[in-house]
Amino acid sequence: NAGVTQTPKFQVLKTGQSMTLQCAQDMNHNSMYWYRQDPGMGLRLIYYSASEGTTDKGEVPNGYNVSRLNKREFSLRLESAAPSQTSVYFCASSENLGQATLAKNIQYFGAGTRLSVL
Amino acid sequence: DAKTTQPTSMDCAEGRAANLPCNHSTISGNEYVYWYRQIHSQGPQYIIHGLKNNETNEMASLIITEDRKSSTLILPHATLRDTAVYYCIVRPFNTNAGKSTFGDGTTLTVKP
Repeated sequence: NAGVTQTPKFQVLKTGQSMTLQCAQDMNHNSMYWYRQDPGMGLRLIYYSASEGTTDKGEVPNGYNVSRLNKREFSLRLESAAPSQTSVYFCASSENLGQATLAKNIQYFGAGTRLSVL
Repeated sequence: DAKTTQPTSMDCAEGRAANLPCNHSTISGNEYVYWYRQIHSQGPQYIIHGLKNNETNEMASLIITEDRKSSTLILPHATLRDTAVYYCIVRPFNTNAGKSTFGDGTTLTVKP
């Protein structure tokens, strides 16, 4: 049981290049999230997917696209990287239960992808 | 999600209890209080959550005031490994949307 796995761990891009950050979870969770964390700051939500087949914008979606490929995988794409996107990116997942039961809604995070855009 | 307010930083002596406060005066009746921590450069880690009763697990205790407008995370015997950023978040339990907001948290430094 690996939890939430992110690849790659490190990446350096040149301005204008594109790349996709991969995230996979093996906990059968419904919801998945992408956050970015700039130095000395808290996490900001980029996009989330409440369930397979749905995605929604978070606080800072501009410059990013996401794909919920299946229940396990949620990818984040930078189409044209900019220096302002230099950050640490975290993927998370959680199981949301219905109103019939108390939702724990605990998020489990990956180890992060450290991205530098030159 | 309700907004939370936490002190920017706190110090604690090793072996003593660390008490981390959080204000959430606009919390709604269906919102839980969650605590996470982030040890340097790692992904955040869940600690504990509660609705209105005090909660305890192997990591910490959570004390929620009767009016639910504030809470305190207690690490009973802080160690150097507890040095981290601690985040307090409030979030509804019927979370079909599932999104949440992390603030800047409290940086706890445990000193020898």
